Amino acid sequence: EVQLVESGGVVVQPGGSLRLSCAASGFTFGDYTMHWVRQTPGKGLEWVSLIRWDGGATNYADSVKGRFTISRDNSKYSLYLQMSSLRTEDTALYYCAKDGNGSGSYPGYWGQGTLVTVSS
Amino acid sequence: DIQMTQSPSTLSASVGDRVTITCRASQSISSWLAWFQQKPGKAPKVLIYKASNLESGVPSRFSGSGSGTEFTLTISSLQPDDFATYYCQQYSSYSRAFGQGTKVEIK
Repeated sequence: EVQLVESGGVVVQPGGSLRLSCAASGFTFGDYTMHWVRQTPGKGLEWVSLIRWDGGATNYADSVKGRFTISRDNSKYSLYLQMSSLRTEDTALYYCAKDGNGSGSYPGYWGQGTLVTVSS
Repeated sequence: DIQMTQSPSTLSASVGDRVTITCRASQSISSWLAWFQQKPGKAPKVLIYKASNLESGVPSRFSGSGSGTEFTLTISSLQPDDFATYYCQQYSSYSRAFGQGTKVEIK
């Protein structure tokens, strides 16, 4: 059974930094592109970033480009999101997701999310 | 960047109704579109990929169509379990934008 468990969400001040983690199991992690998607409380979904199966290619939403860095450790079945220069508008539930077809398409299977609150 | 626009934002319907949600892309995305369902407090779940392909395990009352810039999600006979929010997402371009969502409510 596929499992994705996000962690690392906390309350952080504007301008601060944070690293989110996602522990994967139940599939061959190193075969799949992975995504981060966020959802502002009570609002819609915003795709944040993706990383190719081998870590050799990454994409970012314009809203986070230059501030967030996605990475992965295939030996640990883990996905990460390093977040810096955080803004109040980054407050959201952050989901990690396994790619639908493996090669960089849509988020096909989602974890339950970790909440990041940016507030002074 | 490609923008995705869904309509309507909210839809009131009864059990057994046929329901259609539209998603428009600001430029052609071929068939690179997915549809998701989200219930309160839960993670989204994929229903349709590549515009018209039903994800494994999804009931056949759900269907998707379209290509280029206009797409539809249809629920042929609305069931109690289908009251939820639905999102489209394009995966044609570098940035994988979602639509703003359509909430399907009980009439």
